[in-house]
Amino acid sequence: AQKVTQAQTEISVVEKEDVTLDCVYETRDTTYYLFWYKQPPSGELVFLIRRNSFDEQNEISGRYSWNFQKSTSSFNFTITASQVVDSAVYFCALRGENTNAGKSTFGDGTTLTVKP
Amino acid sequence: DTEVTQTPKHLVMGMTNKKSLKCEQHMGHRAMYWYKQKAKKPPELMFVYSYEKLSINESVPSRFSPECPNSSLLNLHLHALQPEDSALYLCASSQGRVGTQYFGPGTRLLVL
Repeated sequence: AQKVTQAQTEISVVEKEDVTLDCVYETRDTTYYLFWYKQPPSGELVFLIRRNSFDEQNEISGRYSWNFQKSTSSFNFTITASQVVDSAVYFCALRGENTNAGKSTFGDGTTLTVKP
Repeated sequence: DTEVTQTPKHLVMGMTNKKSLKCEQHMGHRAMYWYKQKAKKPPELMFVYSYEKLSINESVPSRFSPECPNSSLLNLHLHALQPEDSALYLCASSQGRVGTQYFGPGTRLLVL
């Protein structure tokens, strides 16, 4: 079975604060893929990043950074110097190489509100 | 280009109507998906097409009928829907079985 847990249901910060969104996953697959998506109020799920289980390098893209730790089964997402436009629902997702092939397991999402 | 398009953006239909949702991608992806998303919930998988063949049906009621006319197009035919079917319907595509899924903007469906 696969499971993705996003324990933070809602987070509210003031603009320019840093914020970290947590994602913890469970899978029996040795090869798997982790994703983060952003869903603004318009509804479209926007792909942010993909991380393969065999690549534990952390990644930075502008104000976004991701910390992948297999030892703790976590794939956390940090936004530095948050902006109002970052307000959205963020989903962490998992796809296993063998388990539920073709299906993504999504977390319940974290609603981020950035106030001016 | 990572664009998936969906039409219409909004749809209101009665329980006796027949309507169709359309999805198109030109990324050469061979897997296409339909998801249903209720407010404040994650997307729920409905159907997966792989190489234009239905590979996964998540026990979706027969009032939803998917169709994949070619590798770029995916339709979802709707008939005799119920008010509880009101939701955001998202289409996605990926290169392969575990490829990155790219989503369209969705169709907001209201069933009266």
